[in-house]
Amino acid sequence: SQTIHQWPATLVQPVGSPLSLECTVEGTSNPNLYWYRQAAGRGLQLLFYSVGIGQISSEVPQNLSASRPQDRQFILSSKKLLLSDSGFYLCAWSRGTPNVNEQFFGPGTRLTVL
Amino acid sequence: TQLLEQSPQFLSIQEGENLTVYCNSSSVFSSLQWYRQEPGEGPVLLVTVVTGGEVKKLKRLTFQFGDARKDSSLHITAAQPGDTGLYLCAGGGTGTASKLTFGTGTRLQVTL
Repeated sequence: SQTIHQWPATLVQPVGSPLSLECTVEGTSNPNLYWYRQAAGRGLQLLFYSVGIGQISSEVPQNLSASRPQDRQFILSSKKLLLSDSGFYLCAWSRGTPNVNEQFFGPGTRLTVL
Repeated sequence: TQLLEQSPQFLSIQEGENLTVYCNSSSVFSSLQWYRQEPGEGPVLLVTVVTGGEVKKLKRLTFQFGDARKDSSLHITAAQPGDTGLYLCAGGGTGTASKLTFGTGTRLQVTL
């Protein structure tokens, strides 16, 4: 069976500090990978997605970047955090089945920027 | 830009009542997923519908995809406190690299 991990679970960082969130998937190969941000109690905003190693598509221009150094590893980064970067960050994977994009989510990282 | 509007935004009902959540768009989707999310956790996939007019049942939950594949509904019969959570619909595009467009969310609270 497939599992998806995210860490850390929670993070409190000062404004201007760097960020690195990690996501790994087990039990599958060549997944599509996604980073989302969720405001409190609301829908999900897609930040980045990747269909393969080194292939990153950005959905929203902002203070964040993503990288995929290995097939099942997806990293979200920032050089200098802003207050507006606070939120709940979710990683997800999908099999890439044509026309049926079922996504499976990790447990999330709660980021607070002070 | 594809948008999915969910209604209602909030719903507070008592145990045993029935409810329906709606998910509407002006865009056509190749598939429609429903997720449930509990506080502090990631969304969990409940169901996927892919054919216009399709109806799927999952115990007390009934999901329907509109004939034109632009809208969907989720009906819960005899709601229980365990149904409490944030319900999200998501529409899928075409192709293997397709993205999901998520709805605005419906927060359901079921009380005893």
